[in-house]
Amino acid sequence: KNEVEQSPQNLTAQEGEFITINCSYSVGISALHWLQQHPGGGIVSLFMLSSGKKKHGRLIATINIQEKHSSLHITASHPRDSAVYICAGDFSPSGTYKYIFGTGTRLKVLA
Amino acid sequence: EPEVTQTPSHQVTQMGQEVILRCVPISNHLYFYWYRQILGQKVEFLVSFYNNEISEKSEIFDDQFSVERPDGSNFTLKIRSTKLEDSAMYFCASSELLAGRKSYNEQFFGPGTRLTVL
Repeated sequence: KNEVEQSPQNLTAQEGEFITINCSYSVGISALHWLQQHPGGGIVSLFMLSSGKKKHGRLIATINIQEKHSSLHITASHPRDSAVYICAGDFSPSGTYKYIFGTGTRLKVLA
Repeated sequence: EPEVTQTPSHQVTQMGQEVILRCVPISNHLYFYWYRQILGQKVEFLVSFYNNEISEKSEIFDDQFSVERPDGSNFTLKIRSTKLEDSAMYFCASSELLAGRKSYNEQFFGPGTRLTVL
């Protein structure tokens, strides 16, 4: 069965802290999509990665396909980073084009 | 930059009424999807659509749901007789055909339609 799990479910940090959110998945993934969801509900794409590492500003995403694990890091966190972060797996090698979503990590950064 | 658009942003309806949620996918994309997110829960797949037919659907997507591409740009989700438990955020997404430049299926999401059934 294609599954995606995220941890932690909730995370509170002080401004400036380094934050890590983890995502693990079952076999058959070709890539992982990291998404951000703000209180209004809209989904914003952060990274799609199938190997290695990607960086954009203070956000870094890494993936280890063999270990079936990906991490999203936020350096020098800021209150405006407060949002729900979601990972979604592309299981197209299994013959399905739908995404399987993790439960999301609710991040709150305090000033 | 091209984006997926959805209308309306909010829809309030009475139980038993029909609703149609509309999406305009990115113009050169060929795969289309509907997902939903009940408040406080994770995003769930409803249906995918390719070449004018349903490619895959989940067990949520029962006979009350239907999808259509009525013209060259719109992609719609119809709920025939809404129930209270249909209240959710509905997201449309689209992607290019998998073959070709990419080895993975990157989906682009619309801003969502919040459906409230009273």
